[in-house]
Amino acid sequence: AQSVTQLGSHVSVSEGALVLLRCNYSSSVPPYLFWYVQYPNQGLQLLLKYTTGATLVKGINGFEAEFKKSETSFHLTKPSAHMSDAAEYFCAVSEDDYKLSFGAGTTVTVRA
Amino acid sequence: DTGVSQDPRHKITKRGQNVTFRCDPISEHNRLYWYRQTLGQGPEFLTYFQNEAQLEKSRLLSDRFSAERPKGSFSTLEIQRTEQGDSAMYLCASSHPWGQETQYFGPGTRLLVL
Repeated sequence: AQSVTQLGSHVSVSEGALVLLRCNYSSSVPPYLFWYVQYPNQGLQLLLKYTTGATLVKGINGFEAEFKKSETSFHLTKPSAHMSDAAEYFCAVSEDDYKLSFGAGTTVTVRA
Repeated sequence: DTGVSQDPRHKITKRGQNVTFRCDPISEHNRLYWYRQTLGQGPEFLTYFQNEAQLEKSRLLSDRFSAERPKGSFSTLEIQRTEQGDSAMYLCASSHPWGQETQYFGPGTRLLVL
C-alpha cells in the first residue's frame, strides 16, 4: 500500500531564504511522485513530477525535487523564497496510473 | 487551453438535501477523477472513469454518493441525503491518454452542509 508523510505541517521562511519541504513515502513498487501547490480556495496546481529517468526534477516557479530511492524521499526545494510562494504544498505518490495518495500538506508562510 | 472546470464553486445546503456537482475535463483527456478534501487534510481518492466506464470506487464513496460520466465527457457527482460530515472540497481531475499518471485538477466545489 502506498502512503505519504510530510514532515512539518507549517514552515516559515524569510523572503530570499531556502525553502525545503520534506516528503517520505512508502510504496511496494517504484512509484510516480508529485508535488502540487494549492492557493487558498483554489484547486491543486502541478509543480513537478518524477516518473522515470533523472532523479533530480525541475518544476515551475523555480522549484525542484530529488527522488532518493534509498531514503524513500522526494523533498522539494527552492533556493530563494518569494512572497508569492506562500501556499499549501502537497506531496503525492501513485503506484499505478490512476490513484494518487496525498500527504497531509505543508503550509508555507514567507516573512518579508 | 482551458483547464478542468467545476460547477458550482460553492454550495450551501441543509442536511438531508441532495446536491449535484459537475466537472468538465480538459479536452481530449479520457480519464476523469473525483477526490474529496476536508479541512487541513490532503485530497482523498473517491472514484475515476476511463471514458464512460467507472473503473474504481473508494470505500469512502458510500451508497449516498453516485458519479456518472454518461458520454465520456463531463461528469456529475451526486450526494443524496447530505450529512454534515459531507462538508468538504470536492475536486475533479483529468488526465491525457499519453501520460495517464499526471492528473490536472480543477478549482473544486466547496460544499457546506448546515
